Amino acid sequence: GQQVMQIPQYQHVQEGEDFTTYCNSSTTLSNIQWYKQRPGGHPVFLIQLVKSGEVKKQKRLTFQFGEAKKNSSLHITATQTTDVGTYFCAGPPGGSYIPTFGRGTSLIVHP
Amino acid sequence: ETGVTQTPRHLVMGMTNKKSLKCEQHLGHNAMYWYKQSAKKPLELMFVYSLEERVENNSVPSRFSPECPNSSHLFLHLHTLQPEDSALYLCASSQRTGDSYEQYFGPGTRLTVT
Repeated sequence: GQQVMQIPQYQHVQEGEDFTTYCNSSTTLSNIQWYKQRPGGHPVFLIQLVKSGEVKKQKRLTFQFGEAKKNSSLHITATQTTDVGTYFCAGPPGGSYIPTFGRGTSLIVHP
Repeated sequence: ETGVTQTPRHLVMGMTNKKSLKCEQHLGHNAMYWYKQSAKKPLELMFVYSLEERVENNSVPSRFSPECPNSSHLFLHLHTLQPEDSALYLCASSQRTGDSYEQYFGPGTRLTVT
């Protein structure tokens, strides 16, 4: 079955440093979704990318979808303590609506 | 956020009890999901209901039984659970049609099996 890998599993940064998490799927995705889960909270949808090579920005967050629609990345510029949480990527294989979630990358920001 | 609600928020039950988790979505979506989230494990999809179709993860034990009476309500019936079933149970909803498949999660039910 489809597998979605995410690296790294954990990332410690000093406040102000940049952060990147990578997502790779074993199969071509119809789209890629990114979610954030704060400690003690539930996953919250951030963004969806659909087109090959698509890049979207939300303030300090930059999301990319690979040309082959099998990989994606999330980059945060100048992290803040409010960025703390686990970031999940998720994507349905082509023809499906049910996404497979990655294991997530937990971001820890030290003030 | 009140788009997807779950009750109860916390549940402690013994291994011989029977309980049910409830989920309700107010977003007009046509797909609803149950996930299990354990510490140090990825989100595990348990069941999906969409347009009268049910999809299930074959690895989910039969002591978990879903019910979806309509497109807005989803239940997870629990009986004779094991301590390893202690986890956060998340409900989510999404659209199955169109271009946007993003999922909206409820706050979850924190389940402890004693």
